Amino acid sequence: AQSVTQPDIHITVSEGASLELRCNYSYGATPYLFWYVQSPGQGLQLLLKYFSGDTLVQGIKGFEAEFKRSQSSFNLRKPSVHWSDAAEYFCAVGDNNDMRFGAGTRLTVKP
Amino acid sequence: GAGVSQSPSNKVTEKGKDVELRCDPISGHTALYWYRQSLGQGLEFLIYFQGNSAPDKSGLPSDRFSAERTGGSVSTLTIQRTQQEDSAVYLCASEPGSGANVLTFGAGSRLTVL
Repeated sequence: AQSVTQPDIHITVSEGASLELRCNYSYGATPYLFWYVQSPGQGLQLLLKYFSGDTLVQGIKGFEAEFKRSQSSFNLRKPSVHWSDAAEYFCAVGDNNDMRFGAGTRLTVKP
Repeated sequence: GAGVSQSPSNKVTEKGKDVELRCDPISGHTALYWYRQSLGQGLEFLIYFQGNSAPDKSGLPSDRFSAERTGGSVSTLTIQRTQQEDSAVYLCASEPGSGANVLTFGAGSRLTVL
């Protein structure tokens, strides 16, 4: 079965700084890859997804992620973080209705 | 419905009691998932349904946990003889069943076992 690793449990960045959240997956073929965000008191919201094609995908709220097959990675990036980006971020891998999530990375944004 | 609806939103129960958590998915979504999110933990996969069938039950933590789905719609997650370690937020999500895996999540049911 596929699995997802998010190495960073908690990351703190200053507002306006760039952000990269790491995600590594284990899967035999090219999976579907996702990033979800969970803001305090909110449900999970899809940020972006990768199915095939261009390995750099754009999402909502200014986020992007790059699929790197050679590294089995799908890192999430944002050039300039806003205070409202403080949340828990989950990477997920899916294959035909089998969806597995990473443990999440909590992002704190300093003023 | 317009979104995934879960009930109750909060449940406090005594150790040893049984609880039922309900999920009403988006109308027409054939795939339905249950996850558990414990404090400080990620999303733990429990089970998913394609229609009324559950191809993968491997995530259910113990035989005290069971789930069913009827009419290809509402699903119920039942926890028997609850233990304190069952305290968590139980999240339900649905997906059209196209295989695209784009899940829509409910707000969750927070279970506290005293």
